[in-house]
Amino acid sequence: DQQVKQNSPSLSVQEGRISILNCDYTNSMFDYFLWYKKYPAEGPTFLISISSIKDKNEDGRFTVFLNKSAKHLSLHIVPSQPGDSAVYFCAAGLGLTGTASKLTFGTGTRLQVTL
Amino acid sequence: EAQVTQNPRYLITVTGKKLTVTCSQNMNHEYMSWYRQDPGLGLRQIYYSMNVEVTDKGDVPEGYKVSRKEKRNFPLILESPSPNQTSLYFCASSLSGGASGNTIYFGEGSWLTVV
Repeated sequence: DQQVKQNSPSLSVQEGRISILNCDYTNSMFDYFLWYKKYPAEGPTFLISISSIKDKNEDGRFTVFLNKSAKHLSLHIVPSQPGDSAVYFCAAGLGLTGTASKLTFGTGTRLQVTL
Repeated sequence: EAQVTQNPRYLITVTGKKLTVTCSQNMNHEYMSWYRQDPGLGLRQIYYSMNVEVTDKGDVPEGYKVSRKEKRNFPLILESPSPNQTSLYFCASSLSGGASGNTIYFGEGSWLTVV
């Protein structure tokens, strides 16, 4: 039972345009959400996060939006650059409740930014 | 430099031959975990440890063992590997269990093939 889903396995975007990566979750107890970026032959690296008390968090070109009622979050990259080409994983956890949190990852979306 | 180091990075082994994938971190992190990445399934947690001598099962613990005798090391043990354990494995460490995503560090991954 996949509690965190990324329904688009791949996405191609032209350089300079906006990339929108989507993620849905089923467990309403999740209260902390993160995006990780992964290049080939490397481990995932943290990109941006958002807690359930917010609906938006911005860091430079990256913005994460959270819609709790829809159990949906999205990552916007504007403008997209060729170096953004990677696999993006969303992850959810129970961090704010003080419980022993562990992350549940989505299946990943491969983003390709073309020239 | 903050590092999570996994060994071996690549291994081909035969069914039933015990193997250990080592993981070491130099950040004095309390929390460590193991994930496997499979196509279409994303990153799934195998085991995690909240501190020395404290370990717990993740989402897919069957066929694996772990130990946490010292804070810096968290080896993953496959007592009798089977072909369905062919995967890319990641070790991760953090100060907490994942509530602060930017404190999670991943190793570079270990490609394991069981024939």
